[in-house]
Amino acid sequence: EPEVTQTPSHQVTQMGQEVILRCVPISNHLYFYWYRQILGQKVEFLVSFYNNEISEKSEIFDDQFSVERPDGSNFTLKIRSTKLEDSAMYFCASRDTSGGDTQYFGPGTRLTVL
Amino acid sequence: QKEVEQDPGPLSVPEGAIVSLNCTYSNSAFQYFMWYRQYSRKGPELLMYTYSSGNKEDGRFTAQVDKSSKYISLFIRDSQPSDSATYLCAMSANNFNKFYFGSGTKLNVKP
Repeated sequence: EPEVTQTPSHQVTQMGQEVILRCVPISNHLYFYWYRQILGQKVEFLVSFYNNEISEKSEIFDDQFSVERPDGSNFTLKIRSTKLEDSAMYFCASRDTSGGDTQYFGPGTRLTVL
Repeated sequence: QKEVEQDPGPLSVPEGAIVSLNCTYSNSAFQYFMWYRQYSRKGPELLMYTYSSGNKEDGRFTAQVDKSSKYISLFIRDSQPSDSATYLCAMSANNFNKFYFGSGTKLNVKP
């Protein structure tokens, strides 16, 4: 069964450094999302992406964040200058309109900012 | 007022019990309602998906939506220890640009 994949599974970085989290959505999906989940807290929406542009973003998704679909398969989240409070699980999700309007999540990348 | 409210639990039941999980919401524009299961340090796994009001059944799982009360439920029949996880409700308006999650209810099914 096709699935969303994410790399790396765990990223450790120093405060102020840039990180890029990578996702490979399910191949025929057209809508992509990033979420984060701080340990013990709820899943929070960051951004949605369709047709090579952002559809909607939350107040969390400030100028330090950016997303890109650099080729036909990858979808990336960049955090330009990481803060301690960026430490969280980051989940990528993709959605297909033909098979049901639901999202399928990847396993997540655990980001630890020191 | 939060967009989506969900009792965090934990909810502990004996094996074989019927489990009822619930969420309330405030935004009347929500049309699509989902339940996800999440194991510790894993991504959410889609369980059920419902559009608008009504019931949907899939095996031991039944999802109910009452839009007039802004209330959704997930019922698990004949609960198993393998059902022990955190259950997340999620919802969206028609445009699917943004999904709103509840905080999750932690369920423990004791053998």
